[in-house]
Amino acid sequence: AAGVIQSPRHLIKEKRETATLKCYPIPRHDTVYWYQQGPGQDPQFLISFYEKMQSDKGSIPDRFSAQQFSDYHSELNMSSLELGDSALYFCASSPGPDQPQHFGDGTRLSIL
Amino acid sequence: KNQVEQSPQSLIILEGKNCTLQCNYTVSPFSNLRWYKQDTGRGPVSLTIMTFSENTKSNGRYTATLDADTKQSSLHITASQLSDSASYICVVSGGGSQGNLIFGKGTKLSVKP
Repeated sequence: AAGVIQSPRHLIKEKRETATLKCYPIPRHDTVYWYQQGPGQDPQFLISFYEKMQSDKGSIPDRFSAQQFSDYHSELNMSSLELGDSALYFCASSPGPDQPQHFGDGTRLSIL
Repeated sequence: KNQVEQSPQSLIILEGKNCTLQCNYTVSPFSNLRWYKQDTGRGPVSLTIMTFSENTKSNGRYTATLDADTKQSSLHITASQLSDSASYICVVSGGGSQGNLIFGKGTKLSVKP
């Protein structure tokens, strides 16, 4: 069965650079969520989209922005990267709000 | 404050043995409770999802229970296998657009041969 696809799997950046993470939800899933998971931490909710509109916002820094496109894929744009941004970034999708979320394998972002 | 607490933090068992992981929550309102398995560096994979009215749900060797009165859940793993080594995360949903998911910190299970 198709799963949530995230790219890239690994990304290395330097401080103050920018990064774009991509998420392709399961077909017919219209809701996408972004999470940040630091080492040894539980995932922290960043932002979610439903039908291409932002539906909820969590602890997403102002340096980050995200959007959901017409094909329902989503991109997380990160600017002025800091060492503390090093983490696993997970995307999850669901067939609707408050439906079970299916997670991708994440993008591991390392800031040097 | 909405919280999900899991115990134990870590657990080591021998292959073939059973184990039970605990989850206590103080989330209100309550929509559902989910158990996820997360392999190191991978995304969480859903094992079970239980609503207020469900007491028990099984998925193969995994059996989850829910006591909505005491706000406790358990995940029982029978006949453990080496591939069961992972973190098991209890997640409680309070409803809403994000599902208001409250993540527990997980129990790290190691199954040894």
